[in-house]
Amino acid sequence: SQQGEEDPQALSIQEGENATMNCSYKTSINNLQWYRQNSGRGLVHLILIRSNEREKHSGRLRVTLDTSKKSSSLLITASRAADTASYFCATGLGGGYQKVTFGTGTKLQVIP
Amino acid sequence: DVKVTQSSRYLVKRTGEKVFLECVQDMDHENMFWYRQDPGLGLRLIYFSYDVKMKEKGDIPEGYSVSREKKERFSLILESASTNQTSMYLCASSKRDTLTYEQYFGPGTRLTVT
Repeated sequence: SQQGEEDPQALSIQEGENATMNCSYKTSINNLQWYRQNSGRGLVHLILIRSNEREKHSGRLRVTLDTSKKSSSLLITASRAADTASYFCATGLGGGYQKVTFGTGTKLQVIP
Repeated sequence: DVKVTQSSRYLVKRTGEKVFLECVQDMDHENMFWYRQDPGLGLRLIYFSYDVKMKEKGDIPEGYSVSREKKERFSLILESASTNQTSMYLCASSKRDTLTYEQYFGPGTRLTVT
């Protein structure tokens, strides 16, 4: 069964606004990643947060992790049309042989 | 630049055919993965491999097999294609370390089985 569920499934905002998407998962994890997928292409890694971290930043991205609620959020600030894509969270248990479980994704549309 | 390539972007096969999907990575990664992606279901892991000739079943291995004879190449095989295997197939690779866990993806193969 899917580990991660994302919310909302789809989001449409104006350029310059902030976009927030959420990921909830069911069991304990070691780390959580966020990926972006442009239409019909492969996924690109955005950011990783470990279970002992609460918040991480990378450029216009801010990720939070609340292990007590088993949830994470991805905030994209000052969105651009080029941010239009699907965003997926992926949870992992750690270790060198780690495999991850992907969520169902949030489809973000940024209107110029 | 890490590069993961897949043999075809689009593929059309008939029911019952044997189908080979090839994936090659050029970064000496130990781990390789095959996923399928369907609308509303996200990515689901079919098989993964953490070393040459090693393979582990993922969440949905039924109807698929894999082969990893060389470190850089990981093949997905549909022994007898069926219409419910129509999907986007994504290959990925990652290093065996605990620093980044980042997976690098190929562009995907959109397979249609008629």
